[in-house]
Amino acid sequence: SAVISQKPSRDICQRGTSLTIQCQVDSQVTMMFWYRQQPGQSLTLIATANQGSEATYESGFVIDKFPISRPNLTFSTLTVSNMSPEDSSIYLCSVELVRTGGEDYGYTFGSGTRLTVV
Amino acid sequence: GNSVTQMEGPVTLSEEAFLTINCTYTATGYPSLFWYVQYPGEGLQLLLKATKADDKGSNKGFEATYRKETTSFHLEKGSVQVSDSAVYFCALYSGAGSYQLTFGKGTKLSVIP
Repeated sequence: SAVISQKPSRDICQRGTSLTIQCQVDSQVTMMFWYRQQPGQSLTLIATANQGSEATYESGFVIDKFPISRPNLTFSTLTVSNMSPEDSSIYLCSVELVRTGGEDYGYTFGSGTRLTVV
Repeated sequence: GNSVTQMEGPVTLSEEAFLTINCTYTATGYPSLFWYVQYPGEGLQLLLKATKADDKGSNKGFEATYRKETTSFHLEKGSVQVSDSAVYFCALYSGAGSYQLTFGKGTKLSVIP
């Protein structure tokens, strides 16, 4: 299985500023996923990031607000731009566990970034 | 669309009590079902999974059976420990061209000595 390092683990930011979250995986993976967990809510997929192509965003999320980079097969960043208090959430990156014999083992998650916007 | 509904928390149990966290789902096709656990200050960890009807996933004393007839995947443990205190998420993966996991809202479990 893959080990994911995510940083920062938490931050308090001023509204109007931007924060870039980094996600490093200890093995090469094709797809990386970024989720948001709002207070008291379930996880929601923001976008899927493939190396060498633009990220695919889910409904309700746009590239100008959440630009994503995927420069290689082990690293990705998510930027939360022009932040407002409504962006206060936990942001998590995720990768798909290695398949064996075609079986899907599910997804591994980073420890998350707890963002508070004031 | 897909959805997961799990019982509201928080749930507080005494050590060695029996645990059930209910989870039901709505999905097209034949989804894979998962339970994830989030310990305080940590990321989500896969606890167990089941990929087809009547499969039973198990890990660390936890079990869940994929019940297609009731569209359920309830999490159970016969004797909880203080170290089981965490938030538990039920999730499904339906495939069909989407890599998205659909999560329930999570159930916080606190086990007291």
